[in-house]
Amino acid sequence: SQTIHQWPATLVQPVGSPLSLECTVEGTSNPNLYWYRQAAGRGLQLLFYSVGIGQISSEVPQNLSASRPQDRQFILSSKKLLLSDSGFYLCAWSVRGTGRSPLHFGNGTRLTVT
Amino acid sequence: TQLLEQSPQFLSIQEGENLTVYCNSSSVFSSLQWYRQEPGEGPVLLVTVVTGGEVKKLKRLTFQFGDARKDSSLHITAAQPGDTGLYLCAGEGNAGNMLTFGGGTRLMVKP
Repeated sequence: SQTIHQWPATLVQPVGSPLSLECTVEGTSNPNLYWYRQAAGRGLQLLFYSVGIGQISSEVPQNLSASRPQDRQFILSSKKLLLSDSGFYLCAWSVRGTGRSPLHFGNGTRLTVT
Repeated sequence: TQLLEQSPQFLSIQEGENLTVYCNSSSVFSSLQWYRQEPGEGPVLLVTVVTGGEVKKLKRLTFQFGDARKDSSLHITAAQPGDTGLYLCAGEGNAGNMLTFGGGTRLMVKP
């Protein structure tokens, strides 16, 4: 069965510090991978998605970047965090090529920038 | 840009009551998904509706896709405390497989 791992679960970082959130998927090959951010108790904003190794699409301009060094690994990074980067970050995967494939989410990372 | 509006944003009811959550757009979607999210976890898919007018039932939950595929509803019968959570609708556009999420409905069912 497929599983998705996202870590850390919670993170408190000072303004100006770097960020690295990691997400890995097991049990599937060539997945689409996504990073979403969720405001408190609200909907999801798509930040980045990837259809393959090294292929990253950004949905919104921001202080963050994403990389996909391996087929089932997706990393969200920042060189210098801003207060506005605080939020709940969710990684997700879906089966490539099928638009109706549901998203399978990790359990998220709660990031607080102080 | 396709937008999905969910209503109500918040709903607090007593156990045993019925409720309906709405997901509306001016855009047509090729399919629509409903997710439920519990605190500190990622959303989990409940159902996907594809055909205009389609109705799907999942135990006490009934999902309907509008005839014009611009809106959807989720009806819960005899709500239970275990139904508490954030309900999210997400529509798939005709141009590709990116999902547009609604703002969510936070449901609290009190025992």
